[in-house]
Amino acid sequence: QKEVEQDPGPLSVPEGAIVSLNCTYSNSAFQYFMWYRQYSRKGPELLMYTYSSGNKEDGRFTAQVDKSSKYISLFIRDSQPSDSATYLCAMSATGGYNKLIFGAGTRLAVHP
Amino acid sequence: GAVVSQHPSWVICKSGTSVKIECRSLDFQATTMFWYRQFPKQSLMLMATSNEGSKATYEQGVEKDKFLINHASLTLSTLTVTSAHPEDSSFYICSARDPRGSGYTFGSGTRLTVV
Repeated sequence: QKEVEQDPGPLSVPEGAIVSLNCTYSNSAFQYFMWYRQYSRKGPELLMYTYSSGNKEDGRFTAQVDKSSKYISLFIRDSQPSDSATYLCAMSATGGYNKLIFGAGTRLAVHP
Repeated sequence: GAVVSQHPSWVICKSGTSVKIECRSLDFQATTMFWYRQFPKQSLMLMATSNEGSKATYEQGVEKDKFLINHASLTLSTLTVTSAHPEDSSFYICSARDPRGSGYTFGSGTRLTVV
């Protein structure tokens, strides 16, 4: 079993839709949770960074962490064609410079 | 926010030669940097953790002698692919943790093609 599970998609939605992306994990030591967006042939771009459980909102993006269920989500409201990319969840254990563990990435296509 | 600059963005080299990739933190000091490899349509695979002033820590299965990592200063880490072969062709990405606490920042990546 992988430490982090993420459905690779692809996920195709119409413009304006609400997108829900999810990851599950098995390591209860994970405390830091991140979502990255990666366009083709580019480095990942940090979208959301959360610590422990709870919700965080930034513009059209909302990140949720449920540590009791070992489940994290990223919601994208009013999706745009420019949101078409691969979304990677990532997480690390407590503090310091622990390495990130990535999900497989979900490919999202938002069509006009 | 934190900026990590990676160069070159792409490189083509002949089989048997060596290639050096640079990763610089522009507006912060990074005692630790990470090097990843990514195959098409796959996630990032951590290769090694680069520590300033000491030896890098390599992940299981990564050849230390092929992928040489040097972290000589608080703002620069380099990855050298030695005696490159076509199977080393891949997308290499570095990252560093922003000490101001907003996650890990990635470079723009280097696409290596070995012919």
